[in-house]
Amino acid sequence: QVQLVESGGGVVQPGRSLRLSCAASGFAFSKYAMHWVRQAPGKGLEWVAVISFDGNNKDYADSVKGRFTISRDNSKNTLYLQMSPLRVEDTAVFYCARQVPSGSWAPFDYWGPGILITVSS
Amino acid sequence: DIVMTQSPDSLAVSLGERATINCKSSQSVLYSADNNNYLAWYQQKPGQPPKLLIYWASTRESGVPDRFSGSGSGTDFTLTINSLQAEDVAVYYCQQYYIAPLTFGGGTKVEI
Repeated sequence: QVQLVESGGGVVQPGRSLRLSCAASGFAFSKYAMHWVRQAPGKGLEWVAVISFDGNNKDYADSVKGRFTISRDNSKNTLYLQMSPLRVEDTAVFYCARQVPSGSWAPFDYWGPGILITVSS
Repeated sequence: DIVMTQSPDSLAVSLGERATINCKSSQSVLYSADNNNYLAWYQQKPGQPPKLLIYWASTRESGVPDRFSGSGSGTDFTLTINSLQAEDVAVYYCQQYYIAPLTFGGGTKVEI
């Protein structure tokens, strides 16, 4: 069955870096666009970034553009999110999500359980 | 950016009754080339990730009970839960995937 599992979270000081990973299994990872979505404590969902199936196309929310980098290693079935410099307002649960196959934008049919990032001094 | 506005913020519904959630987009998410509304609905229960319920505004995801239905077009959309069950207590989000940045509504909390 499809599984997405995030890792790499924790507590980090403002200005520091962190890299999240999302291990995928149960499907042909290299054929799917993948996204990161975050949710601040007690708040709603915020889309963060997307990467195309082959890694050649990426896009970011304005709130993270220039600070976060999405990437993937299809040989390892793993999605990444490099975050630097982190801000207090980046504190959130980060989810990786699989996009429904489509020639354009599409909804997210599988989500990981999420990983908490706390940015605090 | 397309702003998604949901109403109400929360609602309490008796078991077996109907829940209606509204979602309005700041611009149309109907793509004329394929006549599809690029609008999805998700359900999120406490401590869990969101779950896709409806896409293309009215297509139920596989395995989703038929008491969940979506309607609307252009800028105005509705998620209806008929005969509310205890397991439907959750926060519901609409999302537009018409154009980046992909945006979500603020959520509607459904309680018994």
